[in-house]
Amino acid sequence: SQQGEEDPQALSIQEGENATMNCSYKTSINNLQWYRQNSGRGLVHLILIRSNEREKHSGRLRVTLDTSKKSSSLLITASRAADTASYFCLDSNTGTASKLTFGTGTRLQVTL
Amino acid sequence: GAGVSQSPSNKVTEKGKDVELRCDPISGHTALYWYRQSLGQGLEFLIYFQGNSAPDKSGLPSDRFSAERTGGSVSTLTIQRTQQEDSAVYLCASSLRGANNSPLHFGNGTRLTVT
Repeated sequence: SQQGEEDPQALSIQEGENATMNCSYKTSINNLQWYRQNSGRGLVHLILIRSNEREKHSGRLRVTLDTSKKSSSLLITASRAADTASYFCLDSNTGTASKLTFGTGTRLQVTL
Repeated sequence: GAGVSQSPSNKVTEKGKDVELRCDPISGHTALYWYRQSLGQGLEFLIYFQGNSAPDKSGLPSDRFSAERTGGSVSTLTIQRTQQEDSAVYLCASSLRGANNSPLHFGNGTRLTVT
């Protein structure tokens, strides 16, 4: 099985500031994905970065991947109150897609 | 198109009763996953389907839990003789070819409360 671990567990910032979350994993990966969850319901896919990519952007999101350190970071720029949510990473290795396990996530609170 | 649909959205049941949770994945998605999330916790993997086959059932917490998928589409998670510790949000996700190639699309979950 594979499991990403997010850091920090909780993050509180003011609107307009940047938020950085980190993810570490243990096995060789095919890709790494970031998800957001609001109010304990379904997760929403944010961005997928493949193992041969080092950086990817989507709107205010920037994801980096360092396969030598087995780590990834998610940067949210110019945060908004609506960004308040839990953020999870999911690492997918080159083997089977079974038993994909999420970490406990980073709980981001953006205050006005 | 339509996303992943789960029903019911909420279910309250008495301890000892059986419950059946349903997941309608996105059409054409071959991979389907069930997760459980207790209040304030992370996601606990339950079972994964590729087509109608479940190559990995190791996450099912006990023999009271079972799941099936028919026609490579709809999946049902059944919990027999429910216990209070079964109370959680049960999330279903589907993926076009599996997460090693494509992202997971989640439903909004079924919130199960066992009284």
